Parts: sequence; C-alpha cells; structure tokens
Amino acid sequence: GAGVSQSPSNKVTEKGKDVELRCDPISGHTALYWYRQSLGQGLEFLIYFQGNSAPDKSGLPSDRFSAERTGGSVSTLTIQRTQQEDSAVYLCASSLGVSVITFGSGTRLTVV
Amino acid sequence: QQQVKQSPQSLIVQKGGISIINCAYENTAFDYFPWYQQFPGKGPALLIAIRPDVSEKKEGRFTISFNKSAKQFSLHIMDSQPGDSATYFCAASNFNKFYFGSGTKLNVKP
Repeated sequence: GAGVSQSPSNKVTEKGKDVELRCDPISGHTALYWYRQSLGQGLEFLIYFQGNSAPDKSGLPSDRFSAERTGGSVSTLTIQRTQQEDSAVYLCASSLGVSVITFGSGTRLTVV
Repeated sequence: QQQVKQSPQSLIVQKGGISIINCAYENTAFDYFPWYQQFPGKGPALLIAIRPDVSEKKEGRFTISFNKSAKQFSLHIMDSQPGDSATYFCAASNFNKFYFGSGTKLNVKP
C-alpha cells in the first residue's frame, strides 16, 4: 500500500482481556517498528524487526507483550491480560533503508 | 536513561515569529537526526533530517542547526504559521534504532 496501515484504529477492551493490534507496512520495507505513545508523552520503543534477523525486543515492558512478523510483512502486537496502564496509542512504522521511517496513524487502545 | 532530551515541553509563538526547539544527545555513535511533526490523531511524519557531517540544513521555513561538539541540535521554524501548530519530536539513530525526544507541543497564535 501507499502507507503504513494499522488496524483497528480504536480498540476498547476490558481489563484482563487479550488484544491483537495489526500493522501492514509499506510494501518492500524490510524494517518494522512498534512504538507506544501514552497521553501527552513521547514515543516509547517497543520492538524492531529487520529482515530475517532476530527481533530487538529490548523495549517490551513486560512478558505480557509480544509481537511477530509473518512472511517479512504484516506484524501483530499482542498484549495479554491487559491492564489500565496499557492504555495508549500504539504506533507502527516501517523503513527500507537506514534513515527514513514512516509511521502509521496508530491504534488507540483503551483498557476499562 | 533518556537517550535524547528535548525542550521545551510546550511553546507558544505568535504568527510570523520564530519557533525554536532544542535537543541534546549523549551517544556519539548516532549518525542520523530527524525531526518529526505530529498532528492530533495522526502518526508522526518526517519533517526534516540531518547527518552529523553538516552543521545546518534548511528546507523552506524549517532549519536544523547541528552542533556536533556540544551534542546538540535544534529545529527553527521561521515565519511560524497557525498551521504549524503540532507536536514536534526530535530523534537520533544508529544502526536503524531510533530514540525519540519527549516532544514539544507548539501552538502558533494567529
């Protein structure tokens, strides 16, 4: 596609439920990133995929968070047993080279 | 440890004025310094970027000033317009890993 596509755009879930957030990167982009943006805050790095290399998971806040990237394209971020502090906008980005990364519009997750 | 420190947190400028946002970093291995602009409900979008081999880069009303020895860089928005009102993030990267500042919310008053 022309840009990074994320779905759903909004998700409301009950505390304790699992959620899956989807990212469809720009076609051909080898690198994919997930960031979290809490209300009025900066961008918190979560995880980075580059080609077939092992992902850099150093930013995942707890073992309730996991992500996978299938076929080097679509990625899914899964949050198990959601907590209220997980409420945030989850941003996906992709890049081809070592410079410009392009962000999607994000998924706004609200845990009630 | 915050890799990139950004200030101010918020900024109010009159239309036509100059907006200045500052960032500082510690890791001398960083080799790419982009600025991103984010409007409400949207993801950040690349505005302008610089590499450490130049001290300044200008694109239209937007200029990055880079001071390698001080490990600081700044964004200058000349002739600021109400349409520039947004949140601005500086970032630094090496080996494809990006570290973002905490953001500056700019409000340009008409």
